[in-house]
Amino acid sequence: GQNIDQPTEMTATEGAIVQINCTYQTSGFNGLFWYQQHAGEAPTFLSYNVLDGLEEKGRFSSFLSRSKGYSYLLLKELQMKDSASYLCAVRGNTGGFKTIFGAGTRLFVKA
Amino acid sequence: DTAVSQTPKYLVTQMGNDKSIKCEQNLGHDTMYWYKQDSKKFLKIMFSYNNKELIINETVPNRFSPKSPDKAHLNLHINSLELGDSAVYFCASSQDRGNTEAFFGQGTRLTVV
Repeated sequence: GQNIDQPTEMTATEGAIVQINCTYQTSGFNGLFWYQQHAGEAPTFLSYNVLDGLEEKGRFSSFLSRSKGYSYLLLKELQMKDSASYLCAVRGNTGGFKTIFGAGTRLFVKA
Repeated sequence: DTAVSQTPKYLVTQMGNDKSIKCEQNLGHDTMYWYKQDSKKFLKIMFSYNNKELIINETVPNRFSPKSPDKAHLNLHINSLELGDSAVYFCASSQDRGNTEAFFGQGTRLTVV
C-alpha cells in the first residue's frame, strides 16, 4: 500500500524561506511530484523527482531521498501569492502506475 | 484555449438523481483521470484511462461509471446520487501513464441536497 504524510499547516513570512516535508511509504516507487493548489482552483504541477537529490526550478526546489522515503519542497523569497496548499504525490510502479496524493500542507504567507 | 476543460463547474442536484460531468483535453495526451477531492482536501484517484482503455479503477461505488469515447474525452456519470457524493471532482490528463505530470481541469463542485 501507499501512505503519505505531510504537515497540515505552516506559516511563514514574506521574503523568508520555508521547507515543506513529505514522508511516504510505498510498495513500489516511480517518482514523486509536488503540486500547488490555490483555494478553489485546480492543482498545478511544480516539480518531479525520481532520483535522489535536489531539483531546482527558480524559487522552488524539491529534494528526494528514496532510501528514507523522504522529500521536501523548498520555497525561497516567499511572496504573498505563495499562500496555497502544497500537495506531495507519489507514483507507484504497479496497478497502472497509480499516483497517490497526500492531504496537502496549507501554507500561509504573512506580511 | 483551455488545456483540460470540464463542465459544468458547479452542479447542485437532489439525492437520487443521475448526473454527468464532461471532460475534454486538447493536449494530445494519452492518459486521463478522474479524482475526487473531499471536504478534507484529500485528492483521491477514482479512474484512469489510457488510450480509451480503463487502467485504474479504484474502490468506487458502481454508481460511478466513466466513459471514454476517444482519448481526448473522459466523462463521468453518476447514478442515484447520495449526500456523500458531494465533493469537487477533477479531471486530469498526462502525456502517458509513465513519469509525466498531470494537468488538471478547473474542477466540478458537486453538491447533493
